[in-house]
This record gives sequence, C-alpha cells and structure tokens, in this order.
Amino acid sequence: QVQLMESGGGLVEPGGSLRLSCAASGITFNDYYMNWIRQAPGQGLEWISCISSSGNIYYSDSVRGRYTISRDNAKSSLYLQMNSLRAEDTAVYFCASDYGGNLRFDYWGQGTLVTVSS
Amino acid sequence: QSALTQPRSVSGSPGQSVTISCTGTSGDVGDYKYVSWYQLHPGKAPKLMIYDVSRRPSGVPDRFSGSKSGNTASLTISGLQAEDEADYYCCSYAGTFTWVFGGGTKLTVL
Repeated sequence: QVQLMESGGGLVEPGGSLRLSCAASGITFNDYYMNWIRQAPGQGLEWISCISSSGNIYYSDSVRGRYTISRDNAKSSLYLQMNSLRAEDTAVYFCASDYGGNLRFDYWGQGTLVTVSS
Repeated sequence: QSALTQPRSVSGSPGQSVTISCTGTSGDVGDYKYVSWYQLHPGKAPKLMIYDVSRRPSGVPDRFSGSKSGNTASLTISGLQAEDEADYYCCSYAGTFTWVFGGGTKLTVL
C-alpha cells in the first residue's frame, strides 16, 4: 500500500536549520508532484511548497527564500531544507503526493514535528 | 492568500446529516473547480475525501458529497457514523501551483 514517511523533525533554536525527509513507497514516485504542508499547534493546515515531477518548484510567501524543496526520484524521496527558522515555523510538517499534478493531495504521511524554541 | 473560512465546529447525531461550508474568494474557490476536502484523525495521516469539488476517491463512502456555489464550497456527510468524528479541512487551488486551506472544522458525533 502507499506509504509516505516523514523524518528529520526535532527541536531547533531560532535562526537554526533543519532538513526534513519524506520516503515514499507503494507509488511510482516519478509520476507524482510532491508537496509539504504544515500545521502549527492549534492551527489549520498551510500549504508551503510543491515540486513537480520534472523539478519545477513553488513556495508560499511565508517560506520563500528560507526553505528549499528537492526530490530524489531514484530514492523515491522528498526533502525540505529549512533555514533561518522562526518560532512561527513550529508545526507538524506533512508530505503529500499529487498524482500527475491533478491539484489534489492523494496521499499524506503522518507528519514530523518541528519545534523552534530557545 | 487568506485562509478559507470554515465553521469551527459542527455536530450531529448518528444517522443525521451535516454540512460544512468553506468560503473563499474569486481568486480561489470561485475561480477553480479544484476544491478538495481532507479528514484528519489525531495521530493519523490526513485522508482525501473529496476532490474536484464533488468527486470521491475510491474507498470513500458515498455518504460524503461535495458541492460548490460561487465562492463557497460545501461538504455534506449523510448518515453520520461515530467514525466520522474528526477534523475536516477544505482546500482550494489558488493558481500557479499554490493552494489555500480552510481553518478546519471539528465534527462531533453526538
């Protein structure tokens, strides 16, 4: 069955960096656009970044210039490099797949918690 | 973009129907047919329930239905069951591979 598994979350100080990973299985990874979506404590979901099958990249205004999305199709993996972290970046980060860029999030992982605090 | 507007909570008894509204703008819900709905249970991966306003993925019961009128989309759950109790989020495509979510609605099955 389809599985998306995020990893790399943890506690980091303001201004610090963290790299998240998302390992996919059960899908033909190359066929999927991949996304990062986050949920701050007690808040709603927020889409933050998308990378197409061919590597086109899109960001929300809230993370553009600080975050970098990337993918390794050979490893069926998605990444999110997060720099210059702020307290407001504290959230559970989900990866989510979108088959063929059909503009919906077909499958999600369970998320990884990032806490930005001194 | 601003988040889409959803009621914070709705409730219903088993067997009843509930409708969750999701109001956006002409730049998102009003402009695109790409509205989707997600079910979140604590500690579990979110699940796609409705896509393209009213289409159901394989495996989602037909008790779940979606619609849209103007800038407002709606999710209706009929024949409520205990396992439907969860948080529900609407989401709209907002152009150039960006998306906006609603603030979420907590559904309580009484």
